[in-house]
Amino acid sequence: AQKVTQAQTEISVVEKEDVTLDCVYETRDTTYYLFWYKQPPSGELVFLIRRNSFDEQNEISGRYSWNFQKSTSSFNFTITASQVVDSAVYFCALSEDSNQFYFGTGTSLTVIP
Amino acid sequence: GAGVSQSPRYKVAKRGQDVALRCDPISGHVSLFWYQQALGQGPEFLTYFQNEAQLDKSGLPSDRFFAERPEGSVSTLKIQRTQQEDSAVYLCASSKLGEYSYNEQFFGPGTRLTVL
Repeated sequence: AQKVTQAQTEISVVEKEDVTLDCVYETRDTTYYLFWYKQPPSGELVFLIRRNSFDEQNEISGRYSWNFQKSTSSFNFTITASQVVDSAVYFCALSEDSNQFYFGTGTSLTVIP
Repeated sequence: GAGVSQSPRYKVAKRGQDVALRCDPISGHVSLFWYQQALGQGPEFLTYFQNEAQLDKSGLPSDRFFAERPEGSVSTLKIQRTQQEDSAVYLCASSKLGEYSYNEQFFGPGTRLTVL
């Protein structure tokens, strides 16, 4: 079974629009960690955020914000006022009581100027 | 350099050929990971080292895949008798600490392997 589901395969938005990338995870552990990574065309995964299962406080970093809801097992990522440079593939990942990361299949975001 | 480096960046192999992919982690990072990323998919875990010890190799798809990190720094992923289904990007990541899963993993640029 897929531990991390990113149902949106591809999203296109016009520059300056807001966009939300969905992530749903599955785990039986009470302690776990969630991550978002960005993969630009160059291919290198870039860390965006880490959240542990005991901290449901939402986080904002500039134009980026994350909404963690344990009740729905979701960890969604919103980009406000999108820019062309935000175009990339975004991956959500789950880590349980090990060092292994489980990645979703990614959401390809295209921001149209 | 400051980041994780991998070489070669691109590798083309004929079916049946052996290949070796190299990863230089960030200096001082205890943990090292290998992932396989097929086209249009997310990275999939292959194996994990803590220093020179290979603590988890559950993701290696077959006994043709072998990884080592003999001195606890540089790691090599070797694939013997390559098959077309081995074509993918192989990503290496390192993290600072040796325990627990909250450690941020820093990724290299990957090696794109194409098996003809």
